[in-house]
Amino acid sequence: NAGVTQTPKFQVLKTGQSMTLQCAQDMNHEYMSWYRQDPGMGLRLIHYSVGAGITDQGEVPNGYNVSRSTTEDFPLRLLSAAPSQTSVYFCASSPPPGGANVLTFGAGSRLTVL
Amino acid sequence: GNSVTQMEGPVTLSEEAFLTINCTYTATGYPSLFWYVQYPGEGLQLLLKATKADDKGSNKGFEATYRKETTSFHLEKGSVQVSDSAVYFCALMAGGSYIPTFGRGTSLIVHP
Repeated sequence: NAGVTQTPKFQVLKTGQSMTLQCAQDMNHEYMSWYRQDPGMGLRLIHYSVGAGITDQGEVPNGYNVSRSTTEDFPLRLLSAAPSQTSVYFCASSPPPGGANVLTFGAGSRLTVL
Repeated sequence: GNSVTQMEGPVTLSEEAFLTINCTYTATGYPSLFWYVQYPGEGLQLLLKATKADDKGSNKGFEATYRKETTSFHLEKGSVQVSDSAVYFCALMAGGSYIPTFGRGTSLIVHP
């Protein structure tokens, strides 16, 4: 089925470990983004991309890296995990601006950093 | 800048009660407005949208009307069900922008 696929769904890390959260979409969407969701904080934008080779920082980018080598994939890297990065992470994509652009979200990746 | 303000939750209702979740916004120009819903353990999904003033979005018994004069997009449903228990996010997208502005979300709990 068409949509946004995130892996893994659950992950436990120790402080200082690194990992990559994967995100792939098969809708040929230009725009992709990563959010984190924490209780009482709503959704906070981490990084986003408006096309292959183009990335930019969102509201809370520190501690995270991204790259966009293809239209389909937008991985999120944690270089040295910290307990403050314990959260649920969502990837989302949408077509180019014009009309009412609807975001399509993945199912989420729950990360716990011990 | 753009902003979205939603009523804080949780909102707790009995089945078949009337629901209103308030949403007001601040934006330059003429944004599109959205309600997204997040069921437990899932990602957000679009519930309804409106692209211009006085438009009414509707889906699954939910409705919201784009009110430019009051900068509001309140979500309503005449008779809620237990299955409507979820977190509801109001959002806006300014014209020509990729990045939406989300409210903080309102949790709805419906008891049998």
